[in-house]
Amino acid sequence: SQQGEEDPQALSIQEGENATMNCSYKTSINNLQWYRQNSGRGLVHLILIRSNEREKHSGRLRVTLDTSKKSSSLLITASRAADTASYFCATFAGANSKLTFGKGITLSVRP
Amino acid sequence: EADIYQTPRYLVIGTGKKITLECSQTMGHDKMYWYQQDPGMELHLIHYSYGVNSTEKGDLSSESTVSRIRTEHFPLTLESARPSHTSQYLCASLPAGGYNEQFFGPGTRLTVL
Repeated sequence: SQQGEEDPQALSIQEGENATMNCSYKTSINNLQWYRQNSGRGLVHLILIRSNEREKHSGRLRVTLDTSKKSSSLLITASRAADTASYFCATFAGANSKLTFGKGITLSVRP
Repeated sequence: EADIYQTPRYLVIGTGKKITLECSQTMGHDKMYWYQQDPGMELHLIHYSYGVNSTEKGDLSSESTVSRIRTEHFPLTLESARPSHTSQYLCASLPAGGYNEQFFGPGTRLTVL
């Protein structure tokens, strides 16, 4: 079964608004990662947060991790039409383990 | 931009044909992965490798096979393609000791008629 489950499945917002995407997982992790996929392309790594971290920033991205609730959120501030893509969370349990991906969230940013 | 390449990008073939999807990376990464992505976006790990001569089946059963004769090359082969194999196939790699990001290729979209 999938480790990560994103919420919502689809999100449509106006340019300039903030987009918040959530991810829940089931087992202990070493780190949690967020990826982006433009239509018909491969995934691109956005940000990684380790299990001993609670919050991390990268440009307009902010990710939080709550290991007690086994959940993470990705916030994209001041969204742009170019942020339109699918976003995946993925969990990594440790050495020689595999990344386990959620089902993805489709984000549409209207100009 | 990651140095991981997949060819072809698009492939349309008839049922029963043998196909090989190529994946190459120039980063010297030990670990490589093949994912199958269905139209609903979900990614399923079908094969992975921890290094030369190492191959393992992933979480989703697949009729495809893989080989890892060279570090940089991880091809996926379907001996007899069927319409149920129609999907997007993504290759990824991870450096040794990898607790970090996977690097993905652009994908191969396979359509079997």
